[in-house]
Amino acid sequence: GIQVEQSPPDLILQEGANSTLRCNFSDSVNNLQWFHQNPWGQLINLFYIPSGTKQNGRLSATTVATERYSLLYISSSQTTDSGVYFCAVGPYNQGGKLIFGQGTELSVKP
Amino acid sequence: KAGVTQTPRYLIKTRGQQVTLSCSPISGHRSVSWYQQTPGQGLQFLFEYFSETQRNKGNFPGRFSGRQFSNSRSEMNVSTLELGDSALYLCASSLGVVDEKLFFGSGTQLSVL
Repeated sequence: GIQVEQSPPDLILQEGANSTLRCNFSDSVNNLQWFHQNPWGQLINLFYIPSGTKQNGRLSATTVATERYSLLYISSSQTTDSGVYFCAVGPYNQGGKLIFGQGTELSVKP
Repeated sequence: KAGVTQTPRYLIKTRGQQVTLSCSPISGHRSVSWYQQTPGQGLQFLFEYFSETQRNKGNFPGRFSGRQFSNSRSEMNVSTLELGDSALYLCASSLGVVDEKLFFGSGTQLSVL
């Protein structure tokens, strides 16, 4: 099956710093999403981005499908950005099934 | 628009019992997926239902089952509970046709003693 690798596994930032999270996947997919899991366990969908670039406020994401990777950029980080960031990919013709990476745990210090 | 609603929020059961978890999707969403999250295995796909039919299934034993009703609400059942079934169970909904963007509920934290 498809393997999803995220890096780095852990990241500690000072408030205001920028960061880049990476997601590599082992096969072609038609669905790629980024999620943020807050300390209470809620998974928030940040981006649906099977290819191309999207921006939402301080966050942006780029997926290069032909090279099988995606990047999530966080600029001017805030303490509320803390939590775990997951990349998840969907194999072709498998509907809503997503395969998740192990996540990047981000801690933003004031 | 209301989000995905999961009940109950917490459950404590003993080995051998069975449990039923409930999920109400976002209005208009026809696909409901279930995921198990544990510290060791991370987030794993259980199954997906679309228009009352199971569309996809993960690699879990037959003790894990689900169903979807005509109003798109879904239930998940785990029979003969084992200690290893202790986990956060997350439900997600999507339109299920072209746009497969998933929206998750807050989850049910199941503890098996």
